[in-house]
Amino acid sequence: KAGVTQTPRYLIKTRGQQVTLSCSPISGHRSVSWYQQTPGQGLQFLFEYFSETQRNKGNFPGRFSGRQFSNSRSEMNVSTLELGDSALYLCASSLGGYNSPLHFGNGTRLTVT
Amino acid sequence: AQKVTQAQTEISVVEKEDVTLDCVYETRDTTYYLFWYKQPPSGELVFLIRRNSFDEQNEISGRYSWNFQKSTSSFNFTITASQVVDSAVYFCALNGGATNKLIFGTGTLLAVQP
Repeated sequence: KAGVTQTPRYLIKTRGQQVTLSCSPISGHRSVSWYQQTPGQGLQFLFEYFSETQRNKGNFPGRFSGRQFSNSRSEMNVSTLELGDSALYLCASSLGGYNSPLHFGNGTRLTVT
Repeated sequence: AQKVTQAQTEISVVEKEDVTLDCVYETRDTTYYLFWYKQPPSGELVFLIRRNSFDEQNEISGRYSWNFQKSTSSFNFTITASQVVDSAVYFCALNGGATNKLIFGTGTLLAVQP
């Protein structure tokens, strides 16, 4: 069974630009969550989608948004990039029940210059 | 508020040594779940174990074992006879309530020297 796939693996953007990250969950998984990992703040929850609806949201500004498609694939968008947005963005999928183990992808490394 | 503390930032051991990674958590929920994840240099977080708050039995899986103690709010992870392939960052995480939001600790970098 294929794991969680995130594309692209690496991105370099300039301040003020916007970026879209993509995540394909494990087949049959209906929940997709996004996390930001930085050396200073560690792993922080961004949001979770289940059946195309945002089910939970972390404490991030509105510049961070996401969506989920009918095939459970998800995208995350960050607008008006800031230097502090440089991070590893991890996507995780699960069957969807609360407290289900999350299965993570390799992440997208975003660098903002 | 929920919080997970991993006081050990880095641990270095020599191959075949046993090593214990500490995890202390805080939560007001009566029902909650605890997790351990491993993050190798490739970046993905690998799920190792999930334990709910009503199950205090210790668990052993090969060289891995977990000790959950509600009385001390701890969920410690022991690797027996460590191997170089165990080198990674290990995260303890907490999930309380009807949600899939994980609260992660800051992680412990384990370096196993040959």
